[in-house]
Amino acid sequence: AQKVTQAQTEISVVEKEDVTLDCVYETRDTTYYLFWYKQPPSGELVFLIRRNSFDEQNEISGRYSWNFQKSTSSFNFTITASQVVDSAVYFCALSSNSGYSTLTFGKGTMLLVSP
Amino acid sequence: DSGVTQTPKHLITATGQRVTLRCSPRSGDLSVYWYQQSLDQGLQFLIQYYNGEERAKGNILERFSAQQFPDLHSELNLSSLELGDSALYFCASSSRWGSGQETQYFGPGTRLLVL
Repeated sequence: AQKVTQAQTEISVVEKEDVTLDCVYETRDTTYYLFWYKQPPSGELVFLIRRNSFDEQNEISGRYSWNFQKSTSSFNFTITASQVVDSAVYFCALSSNSGYSTLTFGKGTMLLVSP
Repeated sequence: DSGVTQTPKHLITATGQRVTLRCSPRSGDLSVYWYQQSLDQGLQFLIQYYNGEERAKGNILERFSAQQFPDLHSELNLSSLELGDSALYFCASSSRWGSGQETQYFGPGTRLLVL
């Protein structure tokens, strides 16, 4: 069975601080895919990134960066110089071909960025 | 805007009733997924269709059913509603199915309240 753990339920930071959201996953598949989604207060789920299990390169997109480490089964997400608009719930998710492409989500981390 | 549309946005109904949630996938996407988001269970996969055929089933109750029509829109039917069915129901779509690498784009959700 697949499992995604986001141990941080809620994180509060002040604007311009850097923040890292942790994600640990479990799967028996050798090929799998990891995702991050953002759910702002308005409620929709917004896709942020997809990472393949065979590509351990870190990725940076503006103020966002992702650190994928197979050795520790982690896919952490860092926001640099956080802004109030970053306040949202962030979900890490996992899929694989054995799971028929369905997403297994973590419980989410609520990020509160105050001015 | 993900390109996935869901109607209605909000639905208030009584226990024992039946409701239908509608989803239109992004243009060109053949695969539709339904997820339920509740406070206690988090985001859970319900059911998935690809080009009109059911491909995967998750934690979907027997009181719930779904279908995907020839024009690729999908409907999720919830019957004999209980208080515990109150949740946010998401539809997602992707272009293909099966490998696990497909990115799922989510609609804005339908917030169901059962009184």
